[in-house]
Amino acid sequence: DAGITQSPRHKVTETGTPVTLRCHQTENHRYMYWYRQDPGHGLRLIHYSYGVKDTDKGEVSDGYSVSRSKTEDFLLTLESATSSQTSVYFCATAGGYEQYFGPGTRLTVT
Amino acid sequence: QKEVEQNSGPLSVPEGAIASLNCTYSDRGSQSFFWYRQYSGKSPELIMSIYSNGDKEDGRFTAQLNKASQYVSLLIRDSQPSDSATYLCAVREGGSQGNLIFGKGTKLSVKP
Repeated sequence: DAGITQSPRHKVTETGTPVTLRCHQTENHRYMYWYRQDPGHGLRLIHYSYGVKDTDKGEVSDGYSVSRSKTEDFLLTLESATSSQTSVYFCATAGGYEQYFGPGTRLTVT
Repeated sequence: QKEVEQNSGPLSVPEGAIASLNCTYSDRGSQSFFWYRQYSGKSPELIMSIYSNGDKEDGRFTAQLNKASQYVSLLIRDSQPSDSATYLCAVREGGSQGNLIFGKGTKLSVKP
């Protein structure tokens, strides 16, 4: 267990509103990731970070942005939430090859 | 498009039997392979990693890797009802950044 927390754990928001999800880790891991998990699609990478202020896009990055100002925090922002962004969002961290996941955030966009 | 394929299941085995979960991948440059267990409504939990051809055993779990056939498997011996979960295969992309590509998972049901 990599000591990863996510907040909020559940959120319901309306279409068009901005939403920020937070991932916090206590393991001093260099790499952090944001995934979404949807039925029929599995886990898909949204964005990842390989250091403070160093981020890059994943497979499904459209409509999402990220920021990492400290090693321990990685923020995911939905700039204008849409119903297609209703999903379960997982943060993961890695110090080496192995990735460890946080508990997840269930986001519903109405 | 790099892909990781798993049989979606459900795979049903009786308690005490061996459960065999399979995964194939398309990226020949991949060097690292992982199995995660995910209970319903929970996050994925890393249970095995394997980097070399052959078998790797950890308790009741054995991971098997065959890079020539681009195939990785997970065997669960003496299956228990508590092993009922979805098992995700993940493959690290070849190249320096090496992000993980996940299969869609195989749902395992162990019947008492």
